[in-house]
Amino acid sequence: QVQLVESGGGLVKPGGSLRLSCAASGFTLSDYYMGWIRQAPGKGLEWVSYITGSGNSVISADSVKGRFTISRDDGRSALYLQMNSLRADDTAVYYCARGTPLVTAWGQGTLVTVSS
Amino acid sequence: EIVMTQSPGTLSVSPGERATLSCRASQSVGSTLAWYQQTPGHAPRLLIYRTSTRATGIPARFSGSGSGTEFSLTISSLQSEDFAVYFCQQYSDWPGTFGQGTKVEIK
Repeated sequence: QVQLVESGGGLVKPGGSLRLSCAASGFTLSDYYMGWIRQAPGKGLEWVSYITGSGNSVISADSVKGRFTISRDDGRSALYLQMNSLRADDTAVYYCARGTPLVTAWGQGTLVTVSS
Repeated sequence: EIVMTQSPGTLSVSPGERATLSCRASQSVGSTLAWYQQTPGHAPRLLIYRTSTRATGIPARFSGSGSGTEFSLTISSLQSEDFAVYFCQQYSDWPGTFGQGTKVEIK
């Protein structure tokens, strides 16, 4: 059974950092492009970043370039999102996603709140 | 960036009735259109891809149609578990943009 479980969300002050993790099970992580999608309160879904199966290529949304870094550890079946210089408009539920841009599996999401 | 627009924002339907949701793209996306279902407290799940192909385990009461810029999702006979928010997504290019969602609620 395919499962994606996010962790690492929470409350952080503007300018702060957080690292999100996604534990994958039920499939071979290295076979898939993986990514992060977010949903701000009352808003739609937005792709944040994705990483290729080999890990050699990364694409990020303009809104997070230079601040967020996606990475993967296939040995640990894990995906990560390092978020620096957080802003209030980064407040959202962050979903781990298998597949890019078509998402074939989603995690339940982890809430990131950026507020002073 | 391709903008996806869904209508209506909310659809009130009685159990057993048919529901039709619409999705429009700001430019042609061919057939690279997907639908997802999101229920409270659950992870979103893929329902339909390539406009009309049901994902694994999705019941036959869900069907998709359309091409180019106009698409629709039909639920032929609504079950209690189908009351949810539905998103369309174009995946013809990065970023694979999503519609804002249609909430299907019990009438």
